Parts: sequence; C-alpha cells; structure tokens
Amino acid sequence: DQQVKQNSPSLSVQEGRISILNCDYTNSMFDYFLWYKKYPAEGPTFLISISSIKDKNEDGRFTVFLNKSAKHLSLHIVPSQPGDSAVYFCAASASYAGGTSYGKLTFGQGTILTVHP
Amino acid sequence: EAQVTQNPRYLITVTGKKLTVTCSQNMNHEYMSWYRQDPGLGLRQIYYSMNVEVTDKGDVPEGYKVSRKEKRNFPLILESPSPNQTSLYFCASSLSGGQSRSPLHFGNGTRLTVT
Repeated sequence: DQQVKQNSPSLSVQEGRISILNCDYTNSMFDYFLWYKKYPAEGPTFLISISSIKDKNEDGRFTVFLNKSAKHLSLHIVPSQPGDSAVYFCAASASYAGGTSYGKLTFGQGTILTVHP
Repeated sequence: EAQVTQNPRYLITVTGKKLTVTCSQNMNHEYMSWYRQDPGLGLRQIYYSMNVEVTDKGDVPEGYKVSRKEKRNFPLILESPSPNQTSLYFCASSLSGGQSRSPLHFGNGTRLTVT
C-alpha cells in the first residue's frame, strides 16, 4: 500500500524553464511534507518542507505547494539549472500517529529530473 | 564536518553469511534509522531508534537486526542474508525524529549484493 506516490518516474526540462514535480498521498493523518534531492552515489539531502497549516513555502528557486483537499503536493523549481538534475523524493509524516509510526517518514518512489543545457 | 558515515560503501556476499553494515553520526542526534531503496519502491524504513537502547521495527524489518548501544552508532545486521536483500541501504539520523520537524541527514549509502 503506497501511501505516498510520485507517478512520474522521470521528467526532462530545458535549462531556464520551470520544473514541476508532483506527489500524491492517501493518508489524511499526514501533516508534514518534505522534499529530498539525491545525486548518484550520495545519500538524499533535505531540500524544502511544508506543514499542513500552510499551502505554500518558498526557498529561493524552490517552492512547494500543498493542496490538502486533493492530497497533492508539488515542487516547483524556477529557473531550472543543469545542477538540479537528480532524483527527487517526496516524503510525509504524521504528528499524532503514535506507536510504531513515531518519527517515521513515508517516501514516494522518486522522480528523476534531467535539466538539459 | 557534520555527517553520517556508513561502511562499507559496496559489499558482495553469499547467501547465509552474516554481515554488519556500520553507521555512525557525529551530530549527537537522538534519532537514527535504516532505509532500503529499491527501484519503483522508493525508500522504505527497516528499523529506527529513538535513543540509546530504544529500537523499533519499520516497514520492512524481516531479516534484519539492529542495536543502539551508543548514541552515535547504529549498525545494521543481516544474520543470514538472502538474495532479496540485495539493495541500496541508507542510514539516517535527525535531532529527535520526524515529529520534531528536524530533517533527516543521510549517509552515502551501502550497495549490497547477495548471491
């Protein structure tokens, strides 16, 4: 049961244009969402996060949008740069899940972003 | 430099031969966790630890053991590895777990092949 889904395995974008990565979730208890970026031969690194009390969070070229009614979040990268080429994972957690869910992040499958010069 | 260090980076072994993947963090983090990454499945949690001597199962704990005798170390033990444990493994740590909103810091991964 995949509670966090990234339905696009890959995305190809031209340098300077916008990259939009999408993520859907099914668990209505999720109230905190994160994006991680992963280069080959490295571990994922934290990129940006958003709490469910917000619908938008911006950090430089990166903006995450949250649509709670649709259980959907997206990551916008503007403008895209070749160095942004990586695998992007979205992840979600629930504050009040308790028990074995404490501190647990549930990850999506990842989307490979390629930014062409 | 703040980091999570995993060893080895690459490991090829045979079915049934016990192995340990080490993980160490130098950030005094309370929370540590192991994940495996498989194509099409993303990152799935194997085990986690909220503090010394406190560990619990994640989503896919079968075939794995962990221990947390010291705050900085969180080794992953495969008592009798099988080919379905061939995967890319990541250790991660954070200040106090996902609910504190502190992001996870990941190691660079261990590529395990079991033949």
